[in-house]
Amino acid sequence: AQTVTQSQPEMSVQEAETVTLSCTYDTSESDYYLFWYKQPPSRQMILVIRQEAYKQQNATENRFSVNFQKAAKSFSLKISDSQLGDAAMYFCAYRSPNYGGATNKLIFGTGTLLAVQP
Amino acid sequence: SAVISQKPSRDICQRGTSLTIQCQVDSQVTMMFWYRQQPGQSLTLIATANQGSEATYESGFVIDKFPISRPNLTFSTLTVSNMSPEDSSIYLCSVASTWNTEAFFGQGTRLTVV
Repeated sequence: AQTVTQSQPEMSVQEAETVTLSCTYDTSESDYYLFWYKQPPSRQMILVIRQEAYKQQNATENRFSVNFQKAAKSFSLKISDSQLGDAAMYFCAYRSPNYGGATNKLIFGTGTLLAVQP
Repeated sequence: SAVISQKPSRDICQRGTSLTIQCQVDSQVTMMFWYRQQPGQSLTLIATANQGSEATYESGFVIDKFPISRPNLTFSTLTVSNMSPEDSSIYLCSVASTWNTEAFFGQGTRLTVV
């Protein structure tokens, strides 16, 4: 079974600085999807960025980028020019490809609570 | 992206009672899911809601405790039955329009059982 591990329960960053959140996963599959979700106090889960395992190029969305190391099964999130609105819980998630009727379910890590200091 | 309306947003319930949570999507979606997020914890999938058939439950979750309906491609309900304080959690509805797209979430229902 696949597992997702986030080893940093809490992180803190100064406004305008850069922070990296770590995520590792375990799988025997060669094709899969990885995601970072943000959950602010409002509870709304917001997709930050996604990465397809077959793509070697790291995904980027504005100030958010990932460092995807497939061989190491590592998927870290870098937030540049941190803003107060980035403060939230961040979850790393894994999803299998849809082969043989597998569901589109997500397997989540335990989350990293990010604080942004003004 | 889909717009997901989840109701109620929060509730406080007496133990032994049941609560039904609704999830309405503004467009037809292939997949609908129900997750539970216990206090300070990550999200765990309860079940996949299947349109026109019985839901597919994950290990540790049973239909008698968490009956799910999905009468069409835009609506689903999750009932938390015979509640105990251990059921106090956030329950989230999630949808995906095709097999290979990301999932979107409702704002969640914060349930407190007293």
